[in-house]
Order: sequence, then C-alpha cells, then structure tokens
Amino acid sequence: DAGITQSPRHKVTETGTPVTLRCHQTENHRYMYWYRQDPGHGLRLIHYSYGVKDTDKGEVSDGYSVSRSKTEDFLLTLESATSSQTSVYFCAISEPMTSGDYNEQFFGPGTRLTVL
Amino acid sequence: SQQGEEDPQALSIQEGENATMNCSYKTSINNLQWYRQNSGRGLVHLILIRSNEREKHSGRLRVTLDTSKKSSSLLITASRAADTASYFCATAPNQAGTALIFGKGTTLSVSS
Repeated sequence: DAGITQSPRHKVTETGTPVTLRCHQTENHRYMYWYRQDPGHGLRLIHYSYGVKDTDKGEVSDGYSVSRSKTEDFLLTLESATSSQTSVYFCAISEPMTSGDYNEQFFGPGTRLTVL
Repeated sequence: SQQGEEDPQALSIQEGENATMNCSYKTSINNLQWYRQNSGRGLVHLILIRSNEREKHSGRLRVTLDTSKKSSSLLITASRAADTASYFCATAPNQAGTALIFGKGTTLSVSS
C-alpha cells in the first residue's frame, strides 16, 4: 500500500446520493485505475487513466465517472448511488515499461462502500 | 469480461505442503501476473512472466506459462500459515492501451 492512499476507507450512504472516492499517489506513476471487488466476480475494472485528463472506460463503467486533474489524484464519482454499487473499491497505479510491457500494479488499501 | 479463470476456487493444505494454482485465459497476452490478497487488504504483486518466458522463480514461488494452452500455474513450495490468502492471476492483453484483466481468484488456506 506504500505510496497510495484512498479516502474515505469506509462509507455508508443512501440510494440516490452522490459519492466521491479519492485515490492519491506519491509515486508519480502515469497510470491509475479504479476497480470494484465483489464476491464471485473478482476484480473488475471501472475506469482508468493514462495521464492527466486522459481517461477511459473499463468493463463496468456504467453509473461511474472519473476525473484526473493532477498526476497524483484520481477521483471516482457515483453520481447517484444505487445498492448495486455496494462494493469494495480499489485504486491501483502502474508505470508502463519502456518496452511497452504492462508493468505490475500497486494497489491501495481499498474503500468499503455500502449503499442503503 | 473475465479473461483469467483460476482453478481451484479454494484450496486447503497443511503447513509444509506445496500449493498449486492454475490460471487459464482466452486471448493472446503480453504478460501474465500473479497477485496475493490478504483478507481486508489490497492486492500485492508477486511475479510477472512475459509471453516469451516459460518458467520463472521468486523465492518459494514458481510460475509456469504455456501460451499454446493459454494457461499458467503458480506453485508455492513449503507453504506457511502466512501464505493464507487469495491469489489472482491477471493478464495483460497484446492490444495496446488496455488494462490488466483479473481472474476471480483462488482462496488458499494453510493450517498449522
């Protein structure tokens, strides 16, 4: 978890409310990712960023938006939370290899979100 | 869509025994990686094997890759109670600009 923090670590909210999760890194890595982890599904990619203001959708992006205005911060927003978005959310970072290989990813500690 | 599928889903062994986990995937890859997740924590990178490599070692870990069968295995030798965790394989597709795709994981329980 070194160099990556997520806030908040736990959150309980109600259906229909907006929620923003923050990922902050001190490693100056170019790539940042948001995943959700649910029993029986493993980790699924929500959105990722390959640079400041450069983002792309992942496998389960519906209902989520992201923003990256600085290298170190990647925000995940649930515009109107639903119970199906109850999950554990992980942020990850990586730095692409010069050879073009995908380098290892470093994960944050996770945010447990409950939508009632 | 899930790329990697780990097998078995759960594995229980005694301390000192070896643990073998398998991962199968569907499309061509640039590399394959294995991660460990302790309960309530984030994932930790264990080892990366490139598509042109067949075997790689790191301490008590041995990873093999068979691109013709689209499969990989992770062997943990002389398991310890501290190895109890979930293990995930993740594939990096050949297509540029795409992210890692994780499998659903194998839960390993090592009892003393």
